Amino acid sequence: EVQLVETGGGLVQPGRSLKLSCVASGFTFSSYWMYWIRQAPGKGLEWVSSINTDGGSTYYPDSVKGRFTISRDNAENTVYLQMNSLRSEDTATYYCAKHGLGATFDYWGQGVMVTVSS
Amino acid sequence: DTVLTQSPALAVSPGERVSISCRASEGVNSYMHWYQQKPGQQPKLLIYKASNLASGVPARFSGSGSGTDFTLTIDPVEADDTATYFCQQSWNDPPTFGGGTKLELK
Repeated sequence: EVQLVETGGGLVQPGRSLKLSCVASGFTFSSYWMYWIRQAPGKGLEWVSSINTDGGSTYYPDSVKGRFTISRDNAENTVYLQMNSLRSEDTATYYCAKHGLGATFDYWGQGVMVTVSS
Repeated sequence: DTVLTQSPALAVSPGERVSISCRASEGVNSYMHWYQQKPGQQPKLLIYKASNLASGVPARFSGSGSGTDFTLTIDPVEADDTATYFCQQSWNDPPTFGGGTKLELK
């Protein structure tokens, strides 16, 4: 059974940093691209970052480029999201997701809440 | 970015058929996918590449469309289908989601 478990969320002041982790199990982690997707309270879904299988290629939307960094440790079956210079508009539930057929997000973690507020 | 437009809400009675639409601002080939999100839960993949049922999803769910216009159909609707349904495209970069359609049962 595929499982994705995110940790690391919490309340943080604007301008500060936070690092999220997502531990994967139930599939060959090193064979799949992984993603972070976020959802602001009561809002829709926004893709935040992608990472390829060996971690050599990463992608971001303009809204987080230069502030967020995705990375992975295939030995630990873990994907990370380092978030710097956080803003109030980064407040959201952050989900990690696994790459699926047709370039879908076929499995999602339960999500972790990040609140950016003074 | 490719904008996906969905109707915000629908209300149907159990046992009826419902169609949820998603229109893309530019062509996405068949790379349109559908997710179900129940309150307080993570999204769940229902349909991939327009019409393919994801693993474990009941056959009451089906998808159709190509290019810019896509539809998710639930027939018959059950009480457990109360949720928000999101479309998502992966043909154009970056991947984008629709705003979601909240399905309520009468």
